[in-house]
Amino acid sequence: GAGVSQSPRYKVAKRGQDVALRCDPISGHVSLFWYQQALGQGPEFLTYFQNEAQLDKSGLPSDRFFAERPEGSVSTLKIQRTQQEDSAVYLCASSLPLTGTGGYTFGSGTRLTVV
Amino acid sequence: AQSVAQPEDQVNVAEGNPLTVKCTYSVSGNPYLFWYVQYPNRGLQFLLKYITGDNLVKGSYGFEAEFNKSQTSFHLKKPSALVSDSALYFCAVGGGTGKLIFGQGTTLQVKP
Repeated sequence: GAGVSQSPRYKVAKRGQDVALRCDPISGHVSLFWYQQALGQGPEFLTYFQNEAQLDKSGLPSDRFFAERPEGSVSTLKIQRTQQEDSAVYLCASSLPLTGTGGYTFGSGTRLTVV
Repeated sequence: AQSVAQPEDQVNVAEGNPLTVKCTYSVSGNPYLFWYVQYPNRGLQFLLKYITGDNLVKGSYGFEAEFNKSQTSFHLKKPSALVSDSALYFCAVGGGTGKLIFGQGTTLQVKP
């Protein structure tokens, strides 16, 4: 596609519910990133894929967070047993293989509200 | 550890005046520096980057940024502000891994 597509755009979850957030990167982009942006804050790194390999998951805040990209294209971020502190905008970004030097293309994000 | 600071929560300028949004960084080694803009309910849009070379980097929508190694700064500038430039601006630092560390953001308000 022309841009990075994320769905759903908005998600309201009851505390304790599991959620799955989808990211469809730009076609041909090898690298894919997930970021979490709390209200009034800058985005914070969660995890990074190169093709289907998850090369860095150091930013995942707990073992309730899990990300996958099984075929090296679409990625899913799953949050189990959601807590109120998980409320944030979850941003996905993709880039060409030369990571670190390129300007990443971000999706519009999924706004998760845990009630 | 890498870090980036944006010392101003908000910058106010009049339309037509020059604008500066400040950013300082801390890295070991050579920095990769970026500026992004975020409009309400939108994702981040890439403005410009510094990897190596000329210290003055030109980007989208007439923005530019100056890399200053001695002051560890990468301030965003524009000679003549537009009302439509009003948005949230993020400075970020990255390295070879691709992971970006973002600042807290600066809200730019351009008044007619």
